[in-house]
Amino acid sequence: DAKTTQPPSMDCAEGRAANLPCNHSTISGNEYVYWYRQIHSQGPQYIIHGLKNNETNEMASLIITEDRKSSTLILPHATLRDTAVYYCIVRVANTGNQFYFGTGTSLTVIP
Amino acid sequence: GAVVSQHPSRVICKSGTSVKIECRSLDFQATTMFWYRQFPKKSLMLMATSNEGSKATYEQGVEKDKFLINHASLTLSTLTVTSAHPEDSSFYICSAGLAGGGAGELFFGEGSRLTVL
Repeated sequence: DAKTTQPPSMDCAEGRAANLPCNHSTISGNEYVYWYRQIHSQGPQYIIHGLKNNETNEMASLIITEDRKSSTLILPHATLRDTAVYYCIVRVANTGNQFYFGTGTSLTVIP
Repeated sequence: GAVVSQHPSRVICKSGTSVKIECRSLDFQATTMFWYRQFPKKSLMLMATSNEGSKATYEQGVEKDKFLINHASLTLSTLTVTSAHPEDSSFYICSAGLAGGGAGELFFGEGSRLTVL
């Protein structure tokens, strides 16, 4: 069962930062936070993941609160191609463990 | 990043026939693969966990005789929808993780859209 809560939809102006929140108040100490996105009619694409520390890669930044009960995915300069459904998932970092998807946030980047 | 490929990407079949969908990890080995289905405007629903060399583990409510899963090698898992009916029409997606390492992230295939007439 999904253990995260995300707003169903958000808009963001092109070129501005998109901040997508995720609540995971029941996260366990050994569970990571993963972010994926799904562009229409494609398979999900991995974005970033983290345990406790903030993380950054070429796609995005992940900010995890100190109590780890919530996190924010930041797309620093949103483009039209970032329009997608973004999923936040918590899971133990074991490749044999299942990923359960919640409802995600539908992000629309507006020109 | 690691690449997972599905085939076919689209398939149309008649009601009552069986359809096989292949999922391959192209540049890595995967002891575990996962199969999902997705209805329009809905999230991904996990169907089953496919383990190389053993029987798949199905999620509650998923008919194992309807959705046959075979994971014969470390790079290939197949999903066969048997005696397909229109209600089986859906987007089927597989995923795999790096065997024995990595940060636990899964890599997803492009998906296979099944339409049953």
